[in-house]
Amino acid sequence: QKEVEQNSGPLSVPEGAIASLNCTYSDRGSQSFFWYRQYSGKSPELIMSIYSNGDKEDGRFTAQLNKASQYVSLLIRDSQPSDSATYLCAVNDLTNTGNQFYFGTGTSLTVIP
Amino acid sequence: DGGITQSPKYLFRKEGQNVTLSCEQNLNHDAMYWYRQDPGQGLRLIYYSQIVNDFQKGDIAEGYSVSREKKESFPLTVTSAQKNPTAFYLCASSIERRGPLHFGNGTRLTVT
Repeated sequence: QKEVEQNSGPLSVPEGAIASLNCTYSDRGSQSFFWYRQYSGKSPELIMSIYSNGDKEDGRFTAQLNKASQYVSLLIRDSQPSDSATYLCAVNDLTNTGNQFYFGTGTSLTVIP
Repeated sequence: DGGITQSPKYLFRKEGQNVTLSCEQNLNHDAMYWYRQDPGQGLRLIYYSQIVNDFQKGDIAEGYSVSREKKESFPLTVTSAQKNPTAFYLCASSIERRGPLHFGNGTRLTVT
């Protein structure tokens, strides 16, 4: 069983601050990594994909991947109250039976106005 | 607009009844997935399908069944054998072998 670990939180940050979310994974062979945002009662929404070591920036979001440490993180700059949600880390695993995705339990983020 | 449509949004059933959740996509994605989410827990894979007429069990397939007769459709049946069927069910699809999942809006099933 592949494992994806996240701090459950809750994580609280003041508006305008940087929120840092972390994720570790167990399968060293994993190739693709994703961050999803899930508002209460809604389905997950993809916010970042990262495939190579290093940083990937998209607007206020930066994903960081370190395959040697089996670690992926998400930074949210200038946090807004609308960023308050649960953030899910997902890891992709290619097998001979297909493409599987494994999810962490999510980190709850609250941005305080 | 392209997307994944799950219906109904809310579903109520009596214990002992089978129920089928609908999932349709017009994204031309080959792979489709069903996940279950319980409060405070991550997403758990029920079944997935990479191509028409083929599907694989996920981690929690017991008590569930699926079919993939068309590329666009991947319905999930929750049978009476499923011990704790009340949950939020999410259908998803993916076009690339390394690409992300795209989710439908989910069906919230309550069994009493």
